[in-house]
Amino acid sequence: DTGVSQDPRHKITKRGQNVTFRCDPISEHNRLYWYRQTLGQGPEFLTYFQNEAQLEKSRLLSDRFSAERPKGSFSTLEIQRTEQGDSAMYLCASSLVATADEQFFGPGTRLTVL
Amino acid sequence: KNQVEQSPQSLIILEGKNCTLQCNYTVSPFSNLRWYKQDTGRGPVSLTIMTFSENTKSNGRYTATLDADTKQSSLHITASQLSDSASYICVVISSGTYKYIFGTGTRLKVLA
Repeated sequence: DTGVSQDPRHKITKRGQNVTFRCDPISEHNRLYWYRQTLGQGPEFLTYFQNEAQLEKSRLLSDRFSAERPKGSFSTLEIQRTEQGDSAMYLCASSLVATADEQFFGPGTRLTVL
Repeated sequence: KNQVEQSPQSLIILEGKNCTLQCNYTVSPFSNLRWYKQDTGRGPVSLTIMTFSENTKSNGRYTATLDADTKQSSLHITASQLSDSASYICVVISSGTYKYIFGTGTRLKVLA
């Protein structure tokens, strides 16, 4: 257990529905990252926050995706009008700014879109 | 083209045997290189971290090597155990931005 938690661990939804995932980072970590990992591939960067500010978004993050970290602690990732191609593992990681090269990963949320 | 390439894509070995996984990268400059173990359905867990000036780093039965000149790294697993069955991901952290650049991983299966 790295100290980063994600909820839910698994989500099955029908195409067109909205889903929201939550990530709770290690408490003193001010950076929080979201990644997407499809089967047999390495994780791909989606976005990251420093405190409550979203500093970078990947081009993978389409208009249907939105992430928030309102109080600089936990974060949510919402996917609207889900598509089958959104099926993946969504990983969250956190780090300190001072040691940004050391990210700690959560267990992930596995999304299946039917 | 992925900046971090791993080989083999998958590997099956018998319990007790050794194996070596390869990672070639083109990321430059880089801060450090990490190997992660990812069990099925779980998040990645760090095994080793190496800066560009280090050649070898061990963590129990795991030994990572780095050749910054040829931009190659390897992860050697000694006396494999069934619990070593997992994906092993090479991650290169770019200097300055500290962006993680992931390889596609090697899926290792250890059989009894």
